[in-house]
Amino acid sequence: DAKTTQPNSMESNEEEPVHLPCNHSTISGTDYIHWYRQLPSQGPEYVIHGLTSNVNNRMASLAIAEDRKSSTLILHRATLRDAAVYYCMYNAGNMLTFGGGTRLMVKP
Amino acid sequence: GAGVSQSPRYKVAKRGQDVALRCDPISGHVSLFWYQQALGQGPEFLTYFQNEAQLDKSGLPSDRFFAERPEGSVSTLKIQRTQQEDSAVYLCASSLAKGAYEKLFFGSGTQLSVL
Repeated sequence: DAKTTQPNSMESNEEEPVHLPCNHSTISGTDYIHWYRQLPSQGPEYVIHGLTSNVNNRMASLAIAEDRKSSTLILHRATLRDAAVYYCMYNAGNMLTFGGGTRLMVKP
Repeated sequence: GAGVSQSPRYKVAKRGQDVALRCDPISGHVSLFWYQQALGQGPEFLTYFQNEAQLDKSGLPSDRFFAERPEGSVSTLKIQRTQQEDSAVYLCASSLAKGAYEKLFFGSGTQLSVL
């Protein structure tokens, strides 16, 4: 089972950076690390994914530990629209296995 | 362009009724996934199609659940003799690549309530 561990919830102030941690100690060498987020009453939305190197896109940055057993999603300036449940996963085989995710609350 | 479209958006069924949920993936997407999301939980994998082939159905909870994608585009998830525990949001996702190695695009889901 492709299991990851994330904190249940985190809080941030608006316009401050947010670091969302994830542990994935059972990941294998060819599994990509994926982050999705889900706003209320919507389907999950892709945020970012990577294999070994750190990755950046317009939404976020992904920092991957050298041993790949953990990663951190970085939102550089949180906005109220970033309040969502953030899921960290890796694809073992054909599927992504969602865990409970981290509920991010952003305070104005 | 259009994203993944699911219909109906809401479905209320009486216990024992059969239901059919439709997913229109993004045109040209090879992979199609169905997930089930109970209230307050993360999505749970149900099944995976690569074009018209159902390559993984390990997540289907019982033989009352059946999915098809006969022409490699639109997919239907059918639930026979619905039970109250089937109440959930059913999410469909598609991807241009094979498997889940690249970006998945999710629909908004069908919220099924079984009374």
